[in-house]
Amino acid sequence: AQSVTQLDSHVSVSEGTPVLLRCNYSSSYSPSLFWYVQHPNKGLQLLLKYTSAATLVKGINGFEAEFKKSETSFHLTKPSAHMSDAAEYFCVVSDLSDYKLSFGAGTTVTVRA
Amino acid sequence: NAGVMQNPRHLVRRRGQEARLRCSPVKGHSHVYWYRQLPEEGLKFMVYLQKENIIDESGMPKERFSAEFPKEGPSILRIQQVVRGDSAAYFCASSLAGVTTDTQYFGPGTRLTVL
Repeated sequence: AQSVTQLDSHVSVSEGTPVLLRCNYSSSYSPSLFWYVQHPNKGLQLLLKYTSAATLVKGINGFEAEFKKSETSFHLTKPSAHMSDAAEYFCVVSDLSDYKLSFGAGTTVTVRA
Repeated sequence: NAGVMQNPRHLVRRRGQEARLRCSPVKGHSHVYWYRQLPEEGLKFMVYLQKENIIDESGMPKERFSAEFPKEGPSILRIQQVVRGDSAAYFCASSLAGVTTDTQYFGPGTRLTVL
């Protein structure tokens, strides 16, 4: 069975400063890892995914994440936050043996002008 | 190139009524997944369907909930005799293949409110 822990329920940053969203996972097999973003009253949009290729994954809108097996982490970063980045972010894992996605509880990002 | 469509976007029901949620997957996708998001929580898997088949319903409540994905038409999630605890956002996702490395594309969700 797999699970995800998002270490921060809420992150507040100033516009133009870096964003770091932390995620730790547990998985019995080789995991696939994803970050999704949900804007208010909208569906989920895939930011990026890791599927056992390069450990540094680049996504849309300037986001990237690094898979660290030794730390069982998949933290999401962006060098410079934009007001439009204010949203809910979900770290998601699925096992190689399982198509079911397991979601973290989410991190709400607010961006201050 | 339409993505996953869900309707209605908002649904209000009184206790004891039935709720029907519809999901049209991305064109060409034959794998559909339903997830439920309770307030302040992440999404939880409910059911996985292929055309005319339920593959995995391990996340579905044992009673009152059912899902189908007919040969023609959208996938339907049906909740009979709704209770207040059913109030949640219900998301549908679809994928081209049913493998774990395949991306699941999500719809905008249906927000169900039970009065």
